[in-house]
Amino acid sequence: DAKTTQPPSMDCAEGRAANLPCNHSTISGNEYVYWYRQIHSQGPQYIIHGLKNNETNEMASLIITEDRKSSTLILPHATLRDTAVYYCIAGGSNYKLTFGKGTLLTVNP
Amino acid sequence: NAGVTQTPKFQVLKTGQSMTLQCAQDMNHEYMSWYRQDPGMGLRLIHYSVGAGITDQGEVPNGYNVSRSTTEDFPLRLLSAAPSQTSVYFCASRERARNTEAFFGQGTRLTVV
Repeated sequence: DAKTTQPPSMDCAEGRAANLPCNHSTISGNEYVYWYRQIHSQGPQYIIHGLKNNETNEMASLIITEDRKSSTLILPHATLRDTAVYYCIAGGSNYKLTFGKGTLLTVNP
Repeated sequence: NAGVTQTPKFQVLKTGQSMTLQCAQDMNHEYMSWYRQDPGMGLRLIHYSVGAGITDQGEVPNGYNVSRSTTEDFPLRLLSAAPSQTSVYFCASRERARNTEAFFGQGTRLTVV
């Protein structure tokens, strides 16, 4: 798995977009980027993943740079319930996900 | 469709006791894994299975055993509990197809005294 680097914490105002960065400069060509989040010690929850193209689903958007060395998870209208630890994972296999310490996103009213 | 179910949710053990953490999934996923999470840390892989009858060690396997007799169940056994095994344990399952999402249980919070 490629090493990922994320800021330890970020703040966001409720209703505004939250942009969470992730650096994965050693990612190889066939490795996907995954984002999961963990709300208050619950089980991690899948958000989105992508390879090269930008991706969007009902929860978030994922922007991957052209050189694939970094990505940004965008929560378009953050709510208080989006307060969580967000994990960026680069690579991994079907049986293993390598979790770092993630970014604690705090959404403030 | 319950997803991934872990039992119990909480458990206190005395040092030296043994116990089994249960994990069951109803999505017919071939891949299942056990992780532990210590305070302020990410999840670390203990053991995993790529199908019934097949298991292998992860990053931190010492002190734990697993078996996979059915697709649905993947129990984690603590052989002789130690205070260092105090942690939150998560079970996950995933399809065989590449690059699918993993589903996690809600965790078992274990304290060894």
